[in-house]
Amino acid sequence: DQQVKQNSPSLSVQEGRISILNCDYTNSMFDYFLWYKKYPAEGPTFLISISSIKDKNEDGRFTVFLNKSAKHLSLHIVPSQPGDSAVYFCAASSHGGSQGNLIFGKGTKLSVKP
Amino acid sequence: DAEITQSPRHKITETGRQVTLACHQTWNHNNMFWYRQDLGHGLRLIHYSYGVQDTNKGEVSDGYSVSRSNTEDLPLTLESAASSQTSVYFCASSESRLAGARDTQYFGPGTRLTVL
Repeated sequence: DQQVKQNSPSLSVQEGRISILNCDYTNSMFDYFLWYKKYPAEGPTFLISISSIKDKNEDGRFTVFLNKSAKHLSLHIVPSQPGDSAVYFCAASSHGGSQGNLIFGKGTKLSVKP
Repeated sequence: DAEITQSPRHKITETGRQVTLACHQTWNHNNMFWYRQDLGHGLRLIHYSYGVQDTNKGEVSDGYSVSRSNTEDLPLTLESAASSQTSVYFCASSESRLAGARDTQYFGPGTRLTVL
């Protein structure tokens, strides 16, 4: 049973517009959430994270929102740029954010069109 | 610059053979991880280590083993390769056991393994 779900396998957005990537989770014990970005033929790289004690975290063009009651988080990219085209993985952890308990979603492929 | 490398980048092997994938990091991180990435499954944790002589099983550890004899290396061994183990394998390391902005996992470039 999937504990971290990214239900949209792909998303296409026009350059300059907002990209919204969604992630749902089922385990109420998750207390730390992360987004990783992956380009083809490369390993994933960390993008942004949020603790369950917060509902928003912002870093430049990237903002992550957490809705604990709905067990839902989203990544907003504003404005979207062609270089943002990549696969985005949502990940969640329990036990205070232990790395060994990191569960990843299947990923969403974002395409930003010029 | 510190880095994490994996070798080989591509490997083709036959069913039943033993295969070892290498992972080497120069971050001096205590924590190292192995994942596999498959279509429809995202990244799944195979094994991880929080330090020398420490190893732990992840979500999909059956058929795999690791050993940690020094800080820099965590080789992944497939004891008897199976076609179901055809996948892309990623090694990662982190400074802290806790996930976070400054304690992120740094991933290697991946090894594409094909088992025929």
